[in-house]
Order: sequence, then structure tokens, then C-alpha cells
Amino acid sequence: GAGVSQTPSNKVTEKGKYVELRCDPISGHTALYWYRQSLGQGPEFLIYFQGTGAADDSGLPNDRFFAVRPEGSVSTLKIQRTERGDSAVYLCASSRSTDTQYFGPGTRLTVL
Amino acid sequence: GQNIDQPTEMTATEGAIVQINCTYQTSGFNGLFWYQQHAGEAPTFLSYNVLDGLEEKGRFSSFLSRSKGYSYLLLKELQMKDSASYLCAVRGWPGTYKYIFGTGTRLKVLA
Repeated sequence: GAGVSQTPSNKVTEKGKYVELRCDPISGHTALYWYRQSLGQGPEFLIYFQGTGAADDSGLPNDRFFAVRPEGSVSTLKIQRTERGDSAVYLCASSRSTDTQYFGPGTRLTVL
Repeated sequence: GQNIDQPTEMTATEGAIVQINCTYQTSGFNGLFWYQQHAGEAPTFLSYNVLDGLEEKGRFSSFLSRSKGYSYLLLKELQMKDSASYLCAVRGWPGTYKYIFGTGTRLKVLA
């Protein structure tokens, strides 16, 4: 079966631009997580959804970051006015409710 | 505060056994997870403990002591392909299924 997919795999943008990162979870998984990972660090929690609603968005660093999951499946992470410090790998993971989470391959974001 | 500690790097020899420790201080607990992450790849699930004791899964075992806020991952019969980062993660602050990850332990397996 298909795993978690993320697009694009790489995104290069200029400081100040807007970007959208997409995550397609495993079919039937109700929980969806977004993380950010910098080199040599563990994944940093950003937000998680249970169905369509954001159950916990306490990890979003500031109001430039926003995520949606309108139909309870695909999710989009949106970053406004990107800054160089936003450069990282953005990981998405999904799970059935309380089961373990499965990660996608990530989107490598580079802000020049 | 919320804190997860694990060693930054470890080195071991092919065929040996290695133990990677993880200590945590959190305001809630609903499971401790270990993930393996090869360079440039996504983390993959290895093991999960929610009750005290040892969980064994082939060459990998994981131990949990909730009273001590301590876990370890034991890798036996090390192979070169086990060279990777090993991430400890705790799930479940009160009212949430949020996961908090440690910084990871980079394991190098030498021939």
C-alpha cells in the first residue's frame, strides 16, 4: 500500500516569499502531524490534526506558519514571508488515532 | 519543563551489542518510541513501550522505567546497515497525542 507522500521533495525560495508544502497521509489515518527537522537535530513538533481540526498547534513558531486539512485527508503547511531560518526539512507523519506514526520522505525547504 | 536527553554519538563494532540510553522529564506520558533515521531519509518506527519492562523485536529490544524516566534501545549482532541516528520520542502531554523527540544518537558501526 502507499505510504505517506509529500510534495515537493525540494523547494528553493527567496526570503519574503510564500510557500505551500503538501502532505498526503496513508489512507484511513485520522491523525496527521507536521514536524520541522534541522541538520543534526530531532524532529521538532509543529502541529497535529485529528480529522479536520488542529488538535494541537502549540509547536507553530509564529503566525507566519499555518496548516490546514479541510477534508480530513491531505494537509497543506503554509509559510508566509519566509525567512532564512525557516530552511529545514519539513516532515509529515500520519497514524490511526493512537497507533504509531509513519513518516513521509519530507520536503527540503531552502530559503535564500 | 519538558526534556529528552540521549547521547549525541556512539561507536560500536560489527557483531557487537550496543545500548542507547534516553532519559526524559515530561509533564505527561503516553508511550515512548524509538525511531531509526538514516542520513537523508525519514524516521522509521522501531519500537514502542507504554508499560515498564522490556519489549523484544528481533535484534532490537527496548526497555522502559516510568518511575525513573528512563528508556534504552538495545541493538544486538550489529550490522553495518545499523549505522544511523536513533531517535527517542515521548508521546502524550496532557490532553494531546503530541510527540516530543530527542536530538538523536548517531551510531557508527565499524567493521
